[in-house]
Amino acid sequence: ETGVTQTPRHLVMGMTNKKSLKCEQHLGHNAMYWYKQSAKKPLELMFVYNFKEQTENNSVPSRFSPECPNSSHLFLHLHTLQPEDSALYLCASSQDYNYGYTFGSGTRLTVV
Amino acid sequence: GQNIDQPTEMTATEGAIVQINCTYQTSGFNGLFWYQQHAGEAPTFLSYNVLDGLEEKGRFSSFLSRSKGYSYLLLKELQMKDSASYLCAVLRSGAGSYQLTFGKGTKLSVIP
Repeated sequence: ETGVTQTPRHLVMGMTNKKSLKCEQHLGHNAMYWYKQSAKKPLELMFVYNFKEQTENNSVPSRFSPECPNSSHLFLHLHTLQPEDSALYLCASSQDYNYGYTFGSGTRLTVV
Repeated sequence: GQNIDQPTEMTATEGAIVQINCTYQTSGFNGLFWYQQHAGEAPTFLSYNVLDGLEEKGRFSSFLSRSKGYSYLLLKELQMKDSASYLCAVLRSGAGSYQLTFGKGTKLSVIP
């Protein structure tokens, strides 16, 4: 496989559930990102990992918990979400900041 | 803070030329990206400008004026497959890290 792979593509979860989103990149990049894309809103940066270390947390609620076990894998653990958290969650990676970010296809999350 | 503005929607005719503008206000500017996003798909990298001037890549060109906080994406010889959202994104540096912040995107519809 090449590029950035996200699983699952679609997820429906209840507000009391716990689930995880997975992202894997096969590009040898050293930075990985989680973005949230809601309807009629710009892509919102959630978390940044550089060489497995979290460097940014853009005031994201604690019900979203990222994990980066190595520079190729990134997880987003979800628990007790709200309906307004329903969105497309995109993972991206980059090698240095001035190369184009490569995005995964995203996970379409619906919280019911 | 920062602000990125681009038109919400545009319509153009197949074979024509269209220019999508983006204005921004930010500190720590480190470049401007354009991405294309088809409905339900991941954003894909189109261009990166860090110096003033025009960058040409096939049918697509991107222009940057740092003093004016202005960029545009020029699409020539429009094709139906160019119907997509075009995202303007500003890379800024601060506190030892870099962040890519997106505008809301411009939805381009190409009509026969």
